[in-house]
Amino acid sequence: SQQGEEDPQALSIQEGENATMNCSYKTSINNLQWYRQNSGRGLVHLILIRSNEREKHSGRLRVTLDTSKKSSSLLITASRAADTASYFCATGDAGGTSYGKLTFGQGTILTVHP
Amino acid sequence: EAGVAQSPRYKIIEKRQSVAFWCNPISGHATLYWYQQILGQGPKLLIQFQNNGVVDDSQLPKDRFSAERLKGVDSTLKIQPAKLEDSAVYLCASSFIAGASEQYFGPGTRLTVT
Repeated sequence: SQQGEEDPQALSIQEGENATMNCSYKTSINNLQWYRQNSGRGLVHLILIRSNEREKHSGRLRVTLDTSKKSSSLLITASRAADTASYFCATGDAGGTSYGKLTFGQGTILTVHP
Repeated sequence: EAGVAQSPRYKIIEKRQSVAFWCNPISGHATLYWYQQILGQGPKLLIQFQNNGVVDDSQLPKDRFSAERLKGVDSTLKIQPAKLEDSAVYLCASSFIAGASEQYFGPGTRLTVT
């Protein structure tokens, strides 16, 4: 079963614009991670935010986490054509013997037009 | 640093045949994961190893799928017999520690069952 649900399913923007993707989940988490997947480089880790953190930045990426609403957002600023890819949120289980199990959402397909 | 290696990259088989995939994780990574990614969906965890022990195989269809990780390094995933619905990309990933850490993914094996 997939816990995270990304919104929107597809996003099309022009180069230079910002892109925002959202992720909602159902159960308690230890951390939430964002991954990017394209045909050239496969699935690549972008950023990890822990359950006790609210915001994190990495280059042009900004991630927020609201555990009360069980939601997260990924903002890509000043987008480039090379950002065209599928973006997945993945939730890390909170408890017990889960040993870091990640549950991926369905993904958002981002297209950045030059 | 070498990444996660997988082979073969592509495989086409007929239903009821068997197939095996191989994965070599990043050196020193104790945790190894196998995921199944059906077209248009996010990856789904099939099995997770910690060293050479299984810590999660709750979503592995054990009547037809098997996996092993001998000596806590390389791993193989086998399907026998294959069904049409097994057509997917099989991703192997590894991480240094289980828990709140990023996972490194291999390029995947695209399986087509006809």
